Amino acid sequence: EVQLVESGGGLVQPGRSLRLSCAASGFTFDDYAMHWVRQAPGKGLEWVSGISWNSGSIGYADSVKGRFTISRDNAKNSLYLQMNSLRAEDTALYYCAKDTGVVPAARGYFDYWGQGTLVTVSS
Amino acid sequence: SYVLTQPPSVSVAPGQTARITCGGNNIGSKSVHWYQQKPGQAPVLVVYDDSDRPSGIPERFSGSNSGNTATLTISRVEAGDEADYYCQVWDSSSDQGVFGTGTKVTVL
Repeated sequence: EVQLVESGGGLVQPGRSLRLSCAASGFTFDDYAMHWVRQAPGKGLEWVSGISWNSGSIGYADSVKGRFTISRDNAKNSLYLQMNSLRAEDTALYYCAKDTGVVPAARGYFDYWGQGTLVTVSS
Repeated sequence: SYVLTQPPSVSVAPGQTARITCGGNNIGSKSVHWYQQKPGQAPVLVVYDDSDRPSGIPERFSGSNSGNTATLTISRVEAGDEADYYCQVWDSSSDQGVFGTGTKVTVL
């Protein structure tokens, strides 16, 4: 059974940093691209970032480019999102999602999702 | 950046057919995927590559895509289909994922 478990969310002040983690199990992690998708309270889904199986291809939404960094550790079956210079508008539930291809551009959709970790940016 | 537009809401009686549109410039040239999200739950993939269904998704869910509009059709709607639905594409020009604005389906 595929499982994606996010952690690392919490309350953080504007301008500070936070690192999210996603622990994957039930599939061969290094065979697939992975993504972060967020959802602000009461709002729609927003793609945040994606990374290929070998970290060779990485992309970001314009809203987070230059502030967020996605990474993965295939030996630990884990995905990460380093979030710097956080803003109030980054407040959201952050989902980890599995791609069906090895690079995001190959398939570009998400067949499994975690339950999310909540990030609240407020003073 | 690429924009996908959905109607905010669709209402349908049980047993009838719900159609949810997703508009985008020449969307027919892209692969469109659809997700269902119930309150307090993570999204679930219901249609991928315009019209394919993942295992476990009822045949009542179908999709089409042509020109500037993609459509998710839910036949013989049930109370359990009440949820938010999102279309999604991969925009190869920007190498970014793009979600539609979302549609709330209400079963009357």
